[in-house]
Amino acid sequence: NAGVTQTPKFQVLKTGQSMTLQCAQDMNHEYMSWYRQDPGMGLRLIHYSVGAGITDQGEVPNGYNVSRSTTEDFPLRLLSAAPSQTSVYFCASRSRRENTEAFFGQGTRLTVV
Amino acid sequence: AQSVAQPEDQVNVAEGNPLTVKCTYSVSGNPYLFWYVQYPNRGLQFLLKYITGDNLVKGSYGFEAEFNKSQTSFHLKKPSALVSDSALYFCAVRDTLGGKLIFGQGTELSVKP
Repeated sequence: NAGVTQTPKFQVLKTGQSMTLQCAQDMNHEYMSWYRQDPGMGLRLIHYSVGAGITDQGEVPNGYNVSRSTTEDFPLRLLSAAPSQTSVYFCASRSRRENTEAFFGQGTRLTVV
Repeated sequence: AQSVAQPEDQVNVAEGNPLTVKCTYSVSGNPYLFWYVQYPNRGLQFLLKYITGDNLVKGSYGFEAEFNKSQTSFHLKKPSALVSDSALYFCAVRDTLGGKLIFGQGTELSVKP
C-alpha cells in the first residue's frame, strides 16, 4: 500500500516557467488537499477537493490551479512560477468520514530562481 | 474564525524528562483535534486525535494528549522524552464547516542526551 505519492521530490524552476506537481493516492479517499510549508508559518492550504470533479480554494490559492478528474489523482499546476512560490509542497488525502485523520505525501521541495 | 495556536516555537528537554508541547484552538462547535510529527525532510505522520470521549488520548510512540474544553487546549505530552523524539510537531483542528485541516505554526522539539 503506497499511500500518498508525490512527484517530483525536488524541482528547480526559473521565474515564469510552468510545471505540475503530481499527487496520487491508492486508498480510495474522497478528500484531497495541497498545502505549502514555509518556515514559521505552519502548513497553509492551497486548494482542496471533496471528490472527483469538485475543487475549491484554500487559504493561499493565487498562482496555483488544480483539477480532480479521478479519485486517485490531484495535480497542482503552477502557471507562471514566482520566487514567492519557493516552498515545500505537501499533498494529503483522507476519507469523507469526519473522524478520520489525513495521510500526507513525502513532499516536493520547489525552488524558483 | 477557526484557528490553532502553538505558543512555543521551540521546546528543549533533557532525555528522560517529561515533555509538553502546547496547543490552543478556537473553533465553533465540537472540535476534532490532531497532532502530527514531521522528521527532517519527511512528510507529516499522524500521532493521535481527539474526536469525542475521554479527555486523555493515547497515540503512537508513547505520546498522549489532554483535551481541555474549558481552556480550549490540546497539549501533547510524553512521560519520558527520547532523543529520537526530536522533530517538528504540528497541532491541527478540523474545520467544522468544510472539513479542512487548519494547522498551527509548529513547535520544534529538541531532546538532548
